[in-house]
Amino acid sequence: LAKTTQPISMDSYEGQEVNITCSHNNIATNDYITWYQQFPSQGPRFIIQGYKTKVTNEVASLFIPADRKSSTLSLPRVSLSDTAVYYCLVAVRYSSASKIIFGSGTRLSIRP
Amino acid sequence: EAGVVQSPRYKIIEKKQPVAFWCNPISGHNTLYWYRQNLGQGPELLIRYENEEAVDDSQLPKDRFSAERLKGVDSTLKIQPAELGDSAVYLCASSLELAGGTDTQYFGPGTRLTVL
Repeated sequence: LAKTTQPISMDSYEGQEVNITCSHNNIATNDYITWYQQFPSQGPRFIIQGYKTKVTNEVASLFIPADRKSSTLSLPRVSLSDTAVYYCLVAVRYSSASKIIFGSGTRLSIRP
Repeated sequence: EAGVVQSPRYKIIEKKQPVAFWCNPISGHNTLYWYRQNLGQGPELLIRYENEEAVDDSQLPKDRFSAERLKGVDSTLKIQPAELGDSAVYLCASSLELAGGTDTQYFGPGTRLTVL
């Protein structure tokens, strides 16, 4: 059962690049890594998903080393609107047996 | 495209009363999830449906919680009787799980339950 560990909180400034690292030491071969963003009074929103190496989309990049025991969400040039809680999720895709566990998340605060 | 719809958005009840939450997933999504989120914590999965079948209900407190997803579309989560510790936000999510596709979950806005 893959559990994740993230920093409780992070602070940064507008225009900076922010990297949030998640540890998942007991990730299984078939597990994928997914990141969600959550604003107050809203449900989590999908950001990015990956299995290995690097994945990039229009809002973020996800870096996964070869051993896959950690992953780093990279947010380029953050703005005030990126202030939110970010969750790392590790689970097997398409499996009835997969256990979906959200950690406590990382509370990111962006300052002007 | 309409997102996941949940109702009510807020509910205040006294302990020992029953309460029900309703969720309508995104059209065509075969998988539906109910989560509970306590203040300052991540969502905790209560139950997951694939079509009409509950494939994971291991975290559902079955003595007081029940859920159903008739016809594999919308779903209802019920608590009877409610306890003070049930105060939380109840989130519904849906996804379309297909081979070769992504199992991205789309969340509704949640129902904030307060038990007095």
